[in-house]
Amino acid sequence: AQSVTQPDIHITVSEGASLELRCNYSYGATPYLFWYVQSPGQGLQLLLKYFSGDTLVQGIKGFEAEFKRSQSSFNLRKPSVHWSDAAEYFCAVGAGNTDKLIFGTGTRLQVFP
Amino acid sequence: EAGVVQSPRYKIIEKKQPVAFWCNPISGHNTLYWYLQNLGQGPELLIRYENEEAVDDSQLPKDRFSAERLKGVDSTLKIQPAELGDSAVYLCASKPQGEVEAFFGQGTRLTVV
Repeated sequence: AQSVTQPDIHITVSEGASLELRCNYSYGATPYLFWYVQSPGQGLQLLLKYFSGDTLVQGIKGFEAEFKRSQSSFNLRKPSVHWSDAAEYFCAVGAGNTDKLIFGTGTRLQVFP
Repeated sequence: EAGVVQSPRYKIIEKKQPVAFWCNPISGHNTLYWYLQNLGQGPELLIRYENEEAVDDSQLPKDRFSAERLKGVDSTLKIQPAELGDSAVYLCASKPQGEVEAFFGQGTRLTVV
């Protein structure tokens, strides 16, 4: 069965510091992987996605993620965090047809000035 | 282009009362989803529609939940009767059939007292 683990429930960083949010997945075949961001009271916004090809994918707002098959991971990174990045971040895995997404429990990011 | 529109944004009801949520997907999007997001958790799929057909409702608690998508456009999710444990955010999402990225609405936050 597909599953997603986000080990960090809450992360706090200083503005300008680098960021890495961890995501591990369980899926038998090559997965479709996604990172979404959710600001308070808002819906989910897609940051980036991986289907195949280059294992380093670029997304919006300066985010990137790297797919590592050997580690079953898809960690999200940003070199310099802005205060506006404070939000909840969700990693998700989809089946081949992506008609159903399995989400992790999320990581809440807090940014201090 | 308008995004996925959900209403109401917030709803407070007493337990055992009925409640309904409405979703208008992005124009032309055949696939429509209803997700349930409990506090501190990632979204979980309740039901997926392809046009007017519910193709995956395995996670929908059918004793009290129902959904419809007449004419294959907007959709309504109903709970009757509501229980305290139904307090959560109900997210609607849509995408073109065969495409990968789903677009989420802002959600309806339900509080059952």
